[in-house]
Amino acid sequence: DGGITQSPKYLFRKEGQNVTLSCEQNLNHDAMYWYRQDPGQGLRLIYYSQIVNDFQKGDIAEGYSVSREKKESFPLTVTSAQKNPTAFYLCASSIGGQGLETQYFGPGTRLLVL
Amino acid sequence: AQSVAQPEDQVNVAEGNPLTVKCTYSVSGNPYLFWYVQYPNRGLQFLLKYITGDNLVKGSYGFEAEFNKSQTSFHLKKPSALVSDSALYFCAVRDIRKTGRRALTFGSGTRLQVQP
Repeated sequence: DGGITQSPKYLFRKEGQNVTLSCEQNLNHDAMYWYRQDPGQGLRLIYYSQIVNDFQKGDIAEGYSVSREKKESFPLTVTSAQKNPTAFYLCASSIGGQGLETQYFGPGTRLLVL
Repeated sequence: AQSVAQPEDQVNVAEGNPLTVKCTYSVSGNPYLFWYVQYPNRGLQFLLKYITGDNLVKGSYGFEAEFNKSQTSFHLKKPSALVSDSALYFCAVRDIRKTGRRALTFGSGTRLQVQP
């Protein structure tokens, strides 16, 4: 899993609650990514950031928000607008943001709804 | 749009036999292609990638993949499977011409089961 840490490992969300997933990297990578993994659907891109203070929506950004105030950190907030948040969330980073660089993944956070 | 298909949900192979995990892609230009592996409850690990050059790409743990432009495929292969190769394998693509979205599109994954 390289130099990327995600916390917590498991997260429980109550109805109507916003929760934030942490992602930190010490690889000095410019680009960072958030993916959602559901069984049989592979990875779907939520948001990505090519550089500090900039980020773009991926395929399934609705109900999620991100920030990129520091190079090392790319937290993901799952808002109450996300009606089906139960999934495995993976953060990744790459040295550049052109899409051809190798991505390094964190160990993931499993989000469950109470 | 860029897309990638992994037609097999699961591949079963006996230890010591060769293995193939299939991947086909669709892009408007030339592709960048990747294979990643995921062990249970873990993040993905990079195996290999094709950017340009030789169509046969060699990667980690004895895996290799062949880029076939006419068949738009990038199948993952290994001459002799190990039980420890059992995992979930993902193919991913990025269209070289795409200037907007600079991110990969992943396939749905193929579970490889190697029997002892």
